[in-house]
Amino acid sequence: GAGVSQSPSNKVTEKGKDVELRCDPISGHTALYWYRQSLGQGLEFLIYFQGNSAPDKSGLPSDRFSAERTGGSVSTLTIQRTQQEDSAVYLCASSETSGSLDTQYFGPGTRLTVL
Amino acid sequence: AQKITQTQPGMFVQEKEAVTLDCTYDTSDQSYGLFWYKQPSSGEMIFLIYQGSYDEQNATEGRYSLNFQKARKSANLVISASQLGDSAMYFCAMRAYNTDKLIFGTGTRLQVFP
Repeated sequence: GAGVSQSPSNKVTEKGKDVELRCDPISGHTALYWYRQSLGQGLEFLIYFQGNSAPDKSGLPSDRFSAERTGGSVSTLTIQRTQQEDSAVYLCASSETSGSLDTQYFGPGTRLTVL
Repeated sequence: AQKITQTQPGMFVQEKEAVTLDCTYDTSDQSYGLFWYKQPSSGEMIFLIYQGSYDEQNATEGRYSLNFQKARKSANLVISASQLGDSAMYFCAMRAYNTDKLIFGTGTRLQVFP
């Protein structure tokens, strides 16, 4: 079946602009995660959605970052007033559930460059 | 707090040889899972193998096996019969049972040469 998809694959923006990144999880997966990978670094957790529960936003680095998940499927990560330090690859992952140690499957990522 | 340590920033291996990528972890949780992911230059994170903390047998998936030593808190990945396509970054990650997120190490870049 189809894997996790993300769009756009690349985004170049100017400092101060807002950007939206989209994630389509694997069909039927109830849990969705956003991570950020800065150059040469491991992945940093940002936010997690499980069904209709309130999201875990504990990893969001500032209030410029927000995310939504509509209808329990597609998610959008929004970064307002982008800064150069926001440049990174943003990865989305989904898993069947979150109550167990289900494997998270990742999308190809969106490479964000803030000039 | 949970932490993953990968001490090898880079590794080289000759094609058809086996290679071990090191991973140690720190957690106070009793129930947790350990994961290895491969990230080729395309950037996608590809799941390779999973080991649960209560699993008595080491996990194996094709050419991948996980050398799990619970007392030493290590979860090394062994790749047998290396192939040129194995060249990539490899990340070790863990997740405690009562948390949502994966904690990743800094990765090991593996290069397979002919």
